[in-house]
Amino acid sequence: AQSVTQPDIHITVSEGASLELRCNYSYGATPYLFWYVQSPGQGLQLLLKYFSGDTLVQGIKGFEAEFKRSQSSFNLRKPSVHWSDAAEYFCAVASNTGKLIFGQGTTLQVKP
Amino acid sequence: DAGVIQSPRHEVTEMGQEVTLRCKPISGHDYLFWYRQTMMRGLELLIYFNNNVPIDDSGMPEDRFSAKMPNASFSTLKIQPSEPRDSAVYFCASSSQSLEPPYNEQFFGPGTRLTVL
Repeated sequence: AQSVTQPDIHITVSEGASLELRCNYSYGATPYLFWYVQSPGQGLQLLLKYFSGDTLVQGIKGFEAEFKRSQSSFNLRKPSVHWSDAAEYFCAVASNTGKLIFGQGTTLQVKP
Repeated sequence: DAGVIQSPRHEVTEMGQEVTLRCKPISGHDYLFWYRQTMMRGLELLIYFNNNVPIDDSGMPEDRFSAKMPNASFSTLKIQPSEPRDSAVYFCASSSQSLEPPYNEQFFGPGTRLTVL
């Protein structure tokens, strides 16, 4: 069955430090992968997406993600975190029936 | 484009009352999704429509929940009767199915925060 696992429920990093949020997926065919961010009290906003081609994709707000088929992973990274990046981050994989399958989310706290 | 519009943004009601949440998807999108988000269960897909037809309602928790999409620009999620455990944030999202990228990119509304007392 299709699934997405985000192993880390909470992550705390210092402002200016680098960030990596983990995402593992289970999907039989070529996956279409997404990262969404949800700021407190807001809806979900798309950060970036992967469909094919270059396995390193760039998104908004300085985020990037790398697709690794051999590891079934699509980890999100940012070289230097800002306090405004504190939010909840969701990884998702698209099925061919129009559904997105979301992970449980990772809450990012940023220490000053 | 105004994006996905949801109303109301906040709803407080008493147990047993009927609650109706509304959603206007992005014009031209043919998929519409209703999600519920709680601390305990995270983000759950309740139901989704394709071309106004319900495709998968397996996430609807029980018969008290119903959803309709009478036309391409409007959908409702109704809870009758409401219970305190229905308190959550309800999101509507829409997308455009395509054989080419972007594929299944969903655009989310701001959500309705429901509190049932």
